[in-house]
Amino acid sequence: AQSVTQLDSQVPVFEEAPVELRCNYSSSVSVYLFWYVQYPNQGLQLLLKYLSGSTLVKGINGFEAEFNKSQTSFHLRKPSVHISDTAEYFCAVRISGGSNYKLTFGKGTLLTVNP
Amino acid sequence: DTGVSQDPRHKITKRGQNVTFRCDPISEHNRLYWYRQTLGQGPEFLTYFQNEAQLEKSRLLSDRFSAERPKGSFSTLEIQRTEQGDSAMYLCASSLIGLAGTQNIQYFGAGTRLSVL
Repeated sequence: AQSVTQLDSQVPVFEEAPVELRCNYSSSVSVYLFWYVQYPNQGLQLLLKYLSGSTLVKGINGFEAEFNKSQTSFHLRKPSVHISDTAEYFCAVRISGGSNYKLTFGKGTLLTVNP
Repeated sequence: DTGVSQDPRHKITKRGQNVTFRCDPISEHNRLYWYRQTLGQGPEFLTYFQNEAQLEKSRLLSDRFSAERPKGSFSTLEIQRTEQGDSAMYLCASSLIGLAGTQNIQYFGAGTRLSVL
């Protein structure tokens, strides 16, 4: 079975500051990795994904993440945040093989950007 | 492409009542997933369909829960004899399995928030 640990439940930052949201995963098989964002009272929106290839992946809204297989991490970064980035961020994994493709999510990190 | 649509957005019910939620996936997506999200947690997998076939159910899905996707398009999730512990956000996602089967990027709806009083 796979599991995801998001190390920070809440991250407060000031506008235009850099931010890193941490994600570690556990799996005995190869996985694909995802970051989703959830704005209040909305569903989940895909920010970025790692399937294969370059370990540095770029997503929407200026976010990027780096896959580190040796540290089993997939941390999300943004060099300069905006007020509109305030939301809950979820890291998720699924196995790269098989046929189910169900996602296993972390508990989420609430990013609050203050003026 | 209008995205994944869920109805209703909010449902308040009394304990013991039955409720039904609907999910309309992205057109031509052949996979449909249901997840449940409780307060302070990430979404948890409940079940999924490929076309009209329900292929897996989580242990979270008790006998009071039933899901259908009768024509391989929209899906319904019914909860019978609701309990307060059923209060949660129910999320639907859809995806397209192509010939290679390696993408399956899941796109989520806005969810149905259920409150059981």
